[in-house]
Amino acid sequence: SQTIHQWPATLVQPVGSPLSLECTVEGTSNPNLYWYRQAAGRGLQLLFYSVGIGQISSEVPQNLSASRPQDRQFILSSKKLLLSDSGFYLCAGKTGIGYTFGSGTRLTVV
Amino acid sequence: GQQLNQSPQSMFIQEGEDVSMNCTSSSIFNTWLWYKQDPGEGPVLLIALYKAGELTSNGRLTAQFGITRKDSFLNISASIPSDVGIYFCAGLNYGGSQGNLIFGKGTKLSVKP
Repeated sequence: SQTIHQWPATLVQPVGSPLSLECTVEGTSNPNLYWYRQAAGRGLQLLFYSVGIGQISSEVPQNLSASRPQDRQFILSSKKLLLSDSGFYLCAGKTGIGYTFGSGTRLTVV
Repeated sequence: GQQLNQSPQSMFIQEGEDVSMNCTSSSIFNTWLWYKQDPGEGPVLLIALYKAGELTSNGRLTAQFGITRKDSFLNISASIPSDVGIYFCAGLNYGGSQGNLIFGKGTKLSVKP
């Protein structure tokens, strides 16, 4: 079965600093991978998805970017964080019956 | 694009009460899924529905795939404090958007002991 690993669990970063969140997949190969952001107690906003190495689709224009350097690795980045980038970031992988989610990263930009 | 309307947005209930939430869409879906998100965690799949009219149970949870394929509901019977969290419906249409899931905005459930 598929397992999604995310780290770190929490992160506090100053405005203007860079960001790199990593997601790795265990248990499957060539999965579709997704990055979501969730404001406190709210719904899931799809940021990026990838169907394979080097293939990234962006759902909303923003201050973030994503990369997929390896089949089981999906990275969310920013060159300069904004206050509005704060939120709960979730990585997900597609399985045969939906998505498996990681445990998320709580990002606070101060 | 496709959208799911999930209601209610939030619920405050007493322990022991039954809960009902639903999702509707103007589009047809091939699969309906229900997820639960505990505070500070990622969503976890509760129930998957694959056929119109399908009724599936998982313990105290029961979900149905609407006959029109445009809606689904989730019922929780005899709620307990650990039912607290956000419940998301999700629809999958194999044809569009690389087969990506479309999520509802969630129903936040609070249970008073």
